[in-house]
Amino acid sequence: GESVGLHLPTLSVQEGDNSIINCAYSNSASDYFIWYKQESGKGPQFIIDIRSNMDKRQGQRVTVLLNKTVKHLSLQIAATQPGDSAVYFCAERRVAQGGSEKLVFGKGTKLTVNP
Amino acid sequence: SAVISQKPSRDICQRGTSLTIQCQVDSQVTMMFWYRQQPGQSLTLIATANQGSEATYESGFVIDKFPISRPNLTFSTLTVSNMSPEDSSIYLCSVPFRRTGELFFGEGSRLTVL
Repeated sequence: GESVGLHLPTLSVQEGDNSIINCAYSNSASDYFIWYKQESGKGPQFIIDIRSNMDKRQGQRVTVLLNKTVKHLSLQIAATQPGDSAVYFCAERRVAQGGSEKLVFGKGTKLTVNP
Repeated sequence: SAVISQKPSRDICQRGTSLTIQCQVDSQVTMMFWYRQQPGQSLTLIATANQGSEATYESGFVIDKFPISRPNLTFSTLTVSNMSPEDSSIYLCSVPFRRTGELFFGEGSRLTVL
């Protein structure tokens, strides 16, 4: 069906550890993927994106990996900090009603960083 | 980036009433999107609002329930009509970044329907 899902709804890590958040998507025609971070009471904030012609992209402390063969996306956060505690959503770009593009969001993973 | 302001930030509403949410962007944008985020859930696209044309609604959302206005390139409103407790959600306005297509989001309007 039309869905972008996540394997784990919650993830708890110790401060300083690396975190890996996973996402499975279903539409093989999707060409663009984004990870968002949503802190409590706020709107989603862009973290990093990747296009389908790439399999890896790095940012500051974050890396996104894309495996198109198995339609899997992951977000790696290095040296996780308490400020990283939030809900993380993956999103894929698809064609919306009327032909424009839309982002379809996954269910979200709540990351808790323990001091 | 874009600065997006939404009003109200939160409200408590009575069943059967309607509420209009405003979204103001600090730059001109062709497309604006309205999303709904139910408690503890992900974001679902309600509709795409283009200036000068009717909004395009996603499956499961209809204009009678969620009328949208887009009077100019920096402003849009979403009305949640005849509210029921099931409409209790965060409603988010978003606009795409021209260069890459990522979406910028407002802080959302948190509605609670009693």
